[in-house]
Amino acid sequence: GAVVSQHPSWVICKSGTSVKIECRSLDFQATTMFWYRQFPKQSLMLMATSNEGSKATYEQGVEKDKFLINHASLTLSTLTVTSAHPEDSSFYICSARTGGSYNEQFFGPGTRLTVL
Amino acid sequence: AQTVTQSQPEMSVQEAETVTLSCTYDTSENNYYLFWYKQPPSRQMILVIRQEAYKQQNATENRFSVNFQKAAKSFSLKISDSQLGDTAMYFCAFTIQATTAGANSKLTFGKGITLSVRP
Repeated sequence: GAVVSQHPSWVICKSGTSVKIECRSLDFQATTMFWYRQFPKQSLMLMATSNEGSKATYEQGVEKDKFLINHASLTLSTLTVTSAHPEDSSFYICSARTGGSYNEQFFGPGTRLTVL
Repeated sequence: AQTVTQSQPEMSVQEAETVTLSCTYDTSENNYYLFWYKQPPSRQMILVIRQEAYKQQNATENRFSVNFQKAAKSFSLKISDSQLGDTAMYFCAFTIQATTAGANSKLTFGKGITLSVRP
């Protein structure tokens, strides 16, 4: 149980275009979902926290108009990178948390974004 | 604010040997959880072990065990009988105990340590 999927796993796009990444909890309802960014050999950097049905809370320094997050249901959250540029190239990871104990987060497999 | 420190960027261990990964944290909270996550080359984050701060007994999961020293704010991971599949980045992480769903439930990660298991 507690499986989180992400789609696509890998995407290449041209500079100036927008890219949408989906994060789904497959066998549980996620009250909270998180979006992270990770550079090679570095730690995960939290970008934003989203709760179903409400606006996402962005971490300091993350442009909310650049990284649009929608958490429309208890099993789906999307991250849209708008007007992508090469510096947005990175590995994006989502995680989902149930309302249970331990505050445990279940992680998706990640999406590698390359902006040309 | 909470901080998690992993001061060793890399470690190497011989297969079948034991290795300990260090982690310290800082918080003024009393109720919290600590985790070790493994990220192999596939980059899928995998939970290795977790520890509730209110439990004095150290958590154990098969070959993985922790040494939780609450007063010293130390949370090290011991891997026994190291296997080639243990080669990965390991992250120590902290979260406070949320009183309501979603509230203050974000994870604070350390910088990670790259562990290589030599055959």
